[in-house]
Amino acid sequence: KAGVTQTPRYLIKTRGQQVTLSCSPISGHRSVSWYQQTPGQGLQFLFEYFSETQRNKGNFPGRFSGRQFSNSRSEMNVSTLELGDSALYLCASSLAEGATGLGEQFFGPGTRLTVL
Amino acid sequence: KNEVEQSPQNLTAQEGEFITINCSYSVGISALHWLQQHPGGGIVSLFMLSSGKKKHGRLIATINIQEKHSSLHITASHPRDSAVYICAVHIIQGAQKLVFGQGTRLTINP
Repeated sequence: KAGVTQTPRYLIKTRGQQVTLSCSPISGHRSVSWYQQTPGQGLQFLFEYFSETQRNKGNFPGRFSGRQFSNSRSEMNVSTLELGDSALYLCASSLAEGATGLGEQFFGPGTRLTVL
Repeated sequence: KNEVEQSPQNLTAQEGEFITINCSYSVGISALHWLQQHPGGGIVSLFMLSSGKKKHGRLIATINIQEKHSSLHITASHPRDSAVYICAVHIIQGAQKLVFGQGTRLTINP
């Protein structure tokens, strides 16, 4: 089975712009979670989508949003970029069903976003 | 105080040594994950456990729910084990989320 894929792998934007990142989960996985990794804050949970609905959410401002399509592919959008948004953005998919929660996470390679 | 604390933050050992990385947490959890991150960023899930002990090859993970503590052991360590090891806990407080430790950077010298 193919692993989790993320596009693009690298991205450079300027302050105030917006960005959309894409994640394709492992076939059959319906849960997609997004994470931000920075040197200062480490890994932080952004949100999780399951069956096209945001099921869980971390403590990030509303500038960070996402969606999931019927084929389980997910996109994450960050509007009005700030310098502090420079980070590695990782998505992970899992088999987690129903109320069983996030489940074992299978990570993609990440998108490295640089905001100038 | 962070909800998840790992120790040590950095660990350097010689090939063949037995390695232990510890993770303590302060909240109620439904599961704990051990992750491995190599230079370049890729993260691999090593274990997800909610009780007892799991073993995969040279890796062993244990968890003590009452003491809110987990350990990751590596037997017969090898330079290819050099990576950052991250503990993450699955918290259910209304919504569910993963909360991560700060990671342990392991270097195994030949």
